[in-house]
Amino acid sequence: DQQVKQNSPSLSVQEGRISILNCDYTNSMFDYFLWYKKYPAEGPTFLISISSIKDKNEDGRFTVFLNKSAKHLSLHIVPSQPGDSAVYFCAARGAGSWGKLQFGAGTQVVVTP
Amino acid sequence: DGGITQSPKYLFRKEGQNVTLSCEQNLNHDAMYWYRQDPGQGLRLIYYSQIVNDFQKGDIAEGYSVSREKKESFPLTVTSAQKNPTAFYLCASRLDRATEAFFGQGTRLTVV
Repeated sequence: DQQVKQNSPSLSVQEGRISILNCDYTNSMFDYFLWYKKYPAEGPTFLISISSIKDKNEDGRFTVFLNKSAKHLSLHIVPSQPGDSAVYFCAARGAGSWGKLQFGAGTQVVVTP
Repeated sequence: DGGITQSPKYLFRKEGQNVTLSCEQNLNHDAMYWYRQDPGQGLRLIYYSQIVNDFQKGDIAEGYSVSREKKESFPLTVTSAQKNPTAFYLCASRLDRATEAFFGQGTRLTVV
């Protein structure tokens, strides 16, 4: 039973435009949401997170939006750059289980010139 | 430099053999985790440990075993009971209740 879902396996965007990655979750007890970026044959690197008590968090070109009522979050990358081409994982932390992270299946982003 | 080291990066084993993947961290993190990545399935939690000499099963623990004798080390053994062991294995660690976990570079295990 997958509690964190990324329904778009891939996304292609032009350099300079906005990339929007979506993530849905089913467990209302998640208290933190995170985005990780992963290159092939490497470990994921942390990108940005948001607490369940907030609805927006921004860090440079990256902004995460959280809609708790819809159990939906999104990651906006503006402007997209070629180095942003990677797989992006959405993750959610369980509140009552010492914070196990549950991951989505990932979205492959390709930024074209 | 502080970080998480997984070794080896690539590992080949014959079917039916047990194999142990190494994970070491010098970040003084309390919690350590093992994940498995398969195409189209994201990262699935195998085992995790919040403290030395204690560990818990994750979502897909069958066919795996771990130990946590030292804070810095959390080795994962893939046993012959694991039906489909070929995968990319990722170790992670986290400080107490911090938000993010830090990952190692991964080990690609291929069983032939």
